[in-house]
Amino acid sequence: DGGITQSPKYLFRKEGQNVTLSCEQNLNHDAMYWYRQDPGQGLRLIYYSQIVNDFQKGDIAEGYSVSREKKESFPLTVTSAQKNPTAFYLCASSLQGSPGANVLTFGAGSRLTVL
Amino acid sequence: LAKTTQPISMDSYEGQEVNITCSHNNIATNDYITWYQQFPSQGPRFIIQGYKTKVTNEVASLFIPADRKSSTLSLPRVSLSDTAVYYCLVGDPFSNYQLIWGAGTKLIIKP
Repeated sequence: DGGITQSPKYLFRKEGQNVTLSCEQNLNHDAMYWYRQDPGQGLRLIYYSQIVNDFQKGDIAEGYSVSREKKESFPLTVTSAQKNPTAFYLCASSLQGSPGANVLTFGAGSRLTVL
Repeated sequence: LAKTTQPISMDSYEGQEVNITCSHNNIATNDYITWYQQFPSQGPRFIIQGYKTKVTNEVASLFIPADRKSSTLSLPRVSLSDTAVYYCLVGDPFSNYQLIWGAGTKLIIKP
């Protein structure tokens, strides 16, 4: 079955450490996205990529970094510069453009807790 | 960018039809209306998308009036498993990165 795989599902980090969250899709989607979700709130866009080797900052990119070396993969690194990283992180993908094709497919999420 | 307003929470009972209304007064000509469902500790899941009038699929219907300033998600004969948060999003299909996610509507279905 096609879909998006995020790992790990749960991650604990000590302050000052960088951590990388994995996101892999086999849907042949062009665009990929990283969102952050805090309790009781909607999703906020961290980074997005519409094509391999290109990515753009979203609304809350500070303290995060990404790469898009392969179409299938869009890892997110939470750096020590992110002051409040404890959150639920969601990766999504979509085709580009036309209605219906643009709907977002999400992974199951990664929950990061800073100790 | 079109922002949306929807109720924070709603309650209903099993077997009832549930209608969740979303207001989007500044919707643009190119914008489509999309609804997602999210269960706790899971990623959102696409429910339905529409541009105008009525759209129906196997799980829901979406009603959009002629002025497109609001929309209503209709869930027929809900069950306990429909308890979730429902998000209404408005945006250009070519610009998913511009979507604004509000807090959604927390729907609680009671037995």
